[in-house]
Amino acid sequence: KAGVTQTPRYLIKTRGQQVTLSCSPISGHRSVSWYQQTPGQGLQFLFEYFSETQRNKGNFPGRFSGRQFSNSRSEMNVSTLELGDSALYLCASSLDGGTYGYTFGSGTRLTVV
Amino acid sequence: QKEVEQNSGPLSVPEGAIASLNCTYSDRGSQSFFWYRQYSGKSPELIMSIYSNGDKEDGRFTAQLNKASQYVSLLIRDSQPSDSATYLCAVNPPGGKLIFGQGTELSVKP
Repeated sequence: KAGVTQTPRYLIKTRGQQVTLSCSPISGHRSVSWYQQTPGQGLQFLFEYFSETQRNKGNFPGRFSGRQFSNSRSEMNVSTLELGDSALYLCASSLDGGTYGYTFGSGTRLTVV
Repeated sequence: QKEVEQNSGPLSVPEGAIASLNCTYSDRGSQSFFWYRQYSGKSPELIMSIYSNGDKEDGRFTAQLNKASQYVSLLIRDSQPSDSATYLCAVNPPGGKLIFGQGTELSVKP
């Protein structure tokens, strides 16, 4: 059974650019959540999608957005990148939104220069 | 008050000892509780889940939950150097998301 797949693994972008990250959940999982992980802030919740609808959103600016497609694959977009956006972005999938825990992908390491 | 709080550590224990990791949470409506292990440079891995008050054992790991005190803990018996990692407590409050603590770094010395 394939796990959660995130692409790309590494990205280097320039301040002001935008970036799109992709996540394919475990087959059958309808919930996809995104987290930002930095050494100082730990794992910060960005948003959660369930059956193409955003159900929850964390305390991030509107530059961070996402969507989920009918096949449950999800994308996350960050516009007008700032140096502080440099982080590991983790995608996690679950059957129902967290009751039984999440399975994480390997993450995308974003560096903004 | 943070939604999920953990001692940041680092916690250092000798090989073979019991490591005790603690976590408190703020939302009394939370129903699901998890412990994740994260090795340096890797993504978090689910190692324990607990849903009702009391203890749940899985091999060398025991999770303990006390909803009245809003407290979750993880005990690792016979700690091994391979257990050295950051342990993340996660709580599922009503509404369908997981909130994580800052993590406790555990170091098991041979």
